[in-house]
Amino acid sequence: LAKTTQPISMDSYEGQEVNITCSHNNIATNDYITWYQQFPSQGPRFIIQGYKTKVTNEVASLFIPADRKSSTLSLPRVSLSDTAVYYCLVKDYNAGNMLTFGGGTRLMVKP
Amino acid sequence: DAGITQSPRHKVTETGTPVTLRCHQTENHRYMYWYRQDPGHGLRLIHYSYGVKDTDKGEVSDGYSVSRSKTEDFLLTLESATSSQTSVYFCAISEIQGLGQPQHFGDGTRLSIL
Repeated sequence: LAKTTQPISMDSYEGQEVNITCSHNNIATNDYITWYQQFPSQGPRFIIQGYKTKVTNEVASLFIPADRKSSTLSLPRVSLSDTAVYYCLVKDYNAGNMLTFGGGTRLMVKP
Repeated sequence: DAGITQSPRHKVTETGTPVTLRCHQTENHRYMYWYRQDPGHGLRLIHYSYGVKDTDKGEVSDGYSVSRSKTEDFLLTLESATSSQTSVYFCAISEIQGLGQPQHFGDGTRLSIL
């Protein structure tokens, strides 16, 4: 099965913008792309979702190209508290339209 | 936060014993999910439910069964636990599946099988 893939880890410094990309070549045509944040010993927490182009909320932006085979989560001006693991979630048509998480990107924000 | 309670939060048991994990919600959401989370694999769907007595398999369903006799409760059972089922288990809920409806997660159950 083709996987939904993300970089394993990223480092950044406080105040910088961070962009995390998820590759999802087999995304179902009729569903959204969702991103979650997870802290240690907690369940994932919803950050943002989108279907196409660009979506922005109070904590992040999500950029989705026209072919929807990837998406980029953008965190503006990160702080130490943004240190966490970030996951993308899509429906994979190669897996019977099953909901499939990426492997997660561990973001470390340094002072 | 969505009203999701997982029990127990931690459990240690021996290979071959049956184990049941419970997920309880107070949101009256239709969909409920069980995931396992392992290093290097992220979150993988075990089973999900789309209504009372309506369930379906996920990506890693072998060795697991589920039941949903009430809207608010979704049980995950390991009939005969194996060491490979040592993991952190998360329950999630959503009003509908996908289509812009995000899932809300519980805080997980850490299960160790010796």
